[in-house]
Amino acid sequence: QKEVEQNSGPLSVPEGAIASLNCTYSDRGSQSFFWYRQYSGKSPELIMSIYSNGDKEDGRFTAQLNKASQYVSLLIRDSQPSDSATYLCAVNSLTGQNFVFGPGTRLSVLP
Amino acid sequence: DAEITQSPRHKITETGRQVTLACHQTWNHNNMFWYRQDLGHGLRLIHYSYGVQDTNKGEVSDGYSVSRSNTEDLPLTLESAASSQTSVYFCASSETSWGGTDTQYFGPGTRLTVL
Repeated sequence: QKEVEQNSGPLSVPEGAIASLNCTYSDRGSQSFFWYRQYSGKSPELIMSIYSNGDKEDGRFTAQLNKASQYVSLLIRDSQPSDSATYLCAVNSLTGQNFVFGPGTRLSVLP
Repeated sequence: DAEITQSPRHKITETGRQVTLACHQTWNHNNMFWYRQDLGHGLRLIHYSYGVQDTNKGEVSDGYSVSRSNTEDLPLTLESAASSQTSVYFCASSETSWGGTDTQYFGPGTRLTVL
């Protein structure tokens, strides 16, 4: 059974701080990794995708991947109240088109 | 602009009734997916399709069926609705490529209540 795990939170950070969201996965065949943001009552929307070990930066967001440790993280710099949402980690394998989603981490950025 | 739509957005039905949720995408994606989302369980895959006439069962397929007669649509049918099927349902689509790298794009969701 392929699994993706995340801390459910809530993770509370003050405005302007760095929020760090973590995700671990069990399938060593996993090749692509995604972070989605989901506001309450809305559908998931893609923030970042990462396929290679290391860091990938996009604006205030940085995704970090370590395949040896089966670990992927999302850093949000200069956190804003508008970043308050649930963040879903998704993992896909080399041969599959199907994602496995983690349960999500709820982030609360306090003004 | 390409998009993925779901209808209805909200549905209340009674136990035992057949219900069909519609999903329509204009991305021209080969792959389409149905998920349900419940508190404490995250997104769980119900059924998916890799193309016309192709359908596959996901993690929680019991009590649900799908059919794919064209590229754009993947309706989800609850054969005999049960209270345990009260949930938010999301449809998603993605393009096909080797490497499993394609992003899934989600519809707005359908909130289904079974009384």
